[in-house]
This record gives sequence, structure tokens and C-alpha cells, in this order.
Amino acid sequence: NAGVTQTPKFQVLKTGQSMTLQCAQDMNHNSMYWYRQDPGMGLRLIYYSASEGTTDKGEVPNGYNVSRLNKREFSLRLESAAPSQTSVYFCASSEPRQGRYNEQFFGPGTRLTVL
Amino acid sequence: RKEVEQDPGPFNVPEGATVAFNCTYSNSASQSFFWYRQDCRKEPKLLMSVYSSGNEDGRFTAQLNRASQYISLLIRDSKLSDSATYLCVVLSYNTDKLIFGTGTRLQVFP
Repeated sequence: NAGVTQTPKFQVLKTGQSMTLQCAQDMNHNSMYWYRQDPGMGLRLIYYSASEGTTDKGEVPNGYNVSRLNKREFSLRLESAAPSQTSVYFCASSEPRQGRYNEQFFGPGTRLTVL
Repeated sequence: RKEVEQDPGPFNVPEGATVAFNCTYSNSASQSFFWYRQDCRKEPKLLMSVYSSGNEDGRFTAQLNRASQYISLLIRDSKLSDSATYLCVVLSYNTDKLIFGTGTRLQVFP
């Protein structure tokens, strides 16, 4: 099992360009998440999807859109990149169970620089 | 005030030392607590959950103090391979959303 995979690993964009970050998991998890990690800020939730066909905003959704294409795939789109979106982006998945926490598994991350 | 606060460190300790990290959380209704480990330029991975009664996993001991709203992680007999950033994580009340601290960096030297 590959777990959670992300593409690309690195990307450099110019301000105003658009791109889509891809994420896929092979653990049959219902929930998937997108986070960004910035120095001194910790990981912050951008969007999440509790199940196929549903998406919800997290703490920092502005400037991003997401698509839960199917149970395996959850993509993050930057329509018009800004330097403030320079960050490391992590995708994660989990299988929540009522009354009990289930571990979130993270992908290797995408390092994005916006010039 | 941040929901989860940690001392960023770094904590520089020799091999074999015992080191402890604390973390405070602001939402008294929080139910679940965890320590994740993140190696340099890698993804976070679950180290251990933190139970009310305290729990141990080998050289690692986690404690929860609900009255004071803090969580601790104790590492005994530190190894070079323990060098990493340790993230304090709280499960947001009544959801499955995680709230991450900024992490405490540990460097173990020979």
C-alpha cells in the first residue's frame, strides 16, 4: 500500500498562475484533508471532506478550491496564486469512528513557492 | 491566544538524557490529545495518543492534566534518532478536526 500520495513534490509559480495539487489514498478512508504548514504557524486546515461528494471549509480556505473526485482522490486548486500561498501543503486521510479518534495519515507534502 | 501552544525550542540534549515537553490548550471542552512527530522536511506521523490516566510506550510517557489544560511528553534515554519536531495536537470538540501546535524541536547530540 502506498498510503497517501501527493503530486507534485515541488512547484514554483508566478503570481496569478493557477495549479492543482493532487492527492490520492489507497486505504479506503472516508475523510480527507488539506493542510498548509508555515514557519511558526503549525499546520492549518484549508479544506476537508468527510466523505465522497462533500467538502467543507477549514480555518484558512480563502484563495483555494477543492474537489473530492471520488473516494480515493481529493484535489486542491489555486486559481490565482499569490506569494502568501507559498507554503508546504499536506494532504491527509482518516477513517473516523464515532466516539473514537482515528489516526490521520499524511502524504509527503508539496513545497510550493509563489514568486 | 492560540488554541494549542508549545515552546518551539530547540531543546538540545545529549544522548541518554531525559527531556520533557509541555503543551497547553485553551478549549476546556477538548476531548482527545496526541503527540505527532515530524522529521525535517517530512510529513507528521502519530507518535502516541494521550489518555487521562497517562500512558507509556517504551521510552515515551504522555500525561494529561485537564485541570491545568496541559499535556506533556517525556522521553527517557534519548537517542540520536529522536531528533525531530514534536507536535502537540488536540481534537477539536465534537468534530474530527485536529488543531496543531507549532511544534517543539528536539536535537539529540552524541
